[in-house]
Amino acid sequence: NAGVTQTPKFQVLKTGQSMTLQCAQDMNHEYMSWYRQDPGMGLRLIHYSVGAGITDQGEVPNGYNVSRSTTEDFPLRLLSAAPSQTSVYFCASSYGGRPSGNTIYFGEGSWLTVV
Amino acid sequence: GENVEQHPSTLSVQEGDSAVIKCTYSDSASNYFPWYKQELGKRPQLIIDIRSNVGEKKDQRIAVTLNKTAKHFSLHITETQPEDSAVYFCAARGIYNQGGKLIFGQGTELSVKP
Repeated sequence: NAGVTQTPKFQVLKTGQSMTLQCAQDMNHEYMSWYRQDPGMGLRLIHYSVGAGITDQGEVPNGYNVSRSTTEDFPLRLLSAAPSQTSVYFCASSYGGRPSGNTIYFGEGSWLTVV
Repeated sequence: GENVEQHPSTLSVQEGDSAVIKCTYSDSASNYFPWYKQELGKRPQLIIDIRSNVGEKKDQRIAVTLNKTAKHFSLHITETQPEDSAVYFCAARGIYNQGGKLIFGQGTELSVKP
């Protein structure tokens, strides 16, 4: 198992550009999420999904779009990049609502700089 | 929605001492409380977790306690070692159908001095 795979690992964008951060998992996990991490602010939830075709907003959804067309993939789209979106982004996944499946697995992170 | 507060933001201890990090949460429906360790430039790694039907859980030098009435939980690291130096995050999650909706505390930077 590769686990949770994120691409790209590093990206520099110009203000106003759009891009997609890719996330894929091969563990047949139902739940997937995107977090951003900024210094001193921990990890903040952007969007999450409880299954294919179902997404919902987290704490900081503005400026981001997601879709979940398959169980494996959960891409995060930046529609018009702003410097405030400079951050480290983590994708995460976990099994569904079974007590043994609560563990959340994180990808390696994507470092995004918007200039 | 859920809000998680974590204290202290930085903690410095001597090797061999104990370290305690505390978190409070706001949503009484939360029932799952993991702790993550994050080394510089790496992804968060789960180190221990506790569910709401348990008051304490221990794994070697690491333990977590949960007080549901007061809505707080704590991480205890005994006999600290330099390799324990990292940023630690607590988190809380509600009922199962909220899926990956894990809400994190702000993090504690632990420094263990040899």
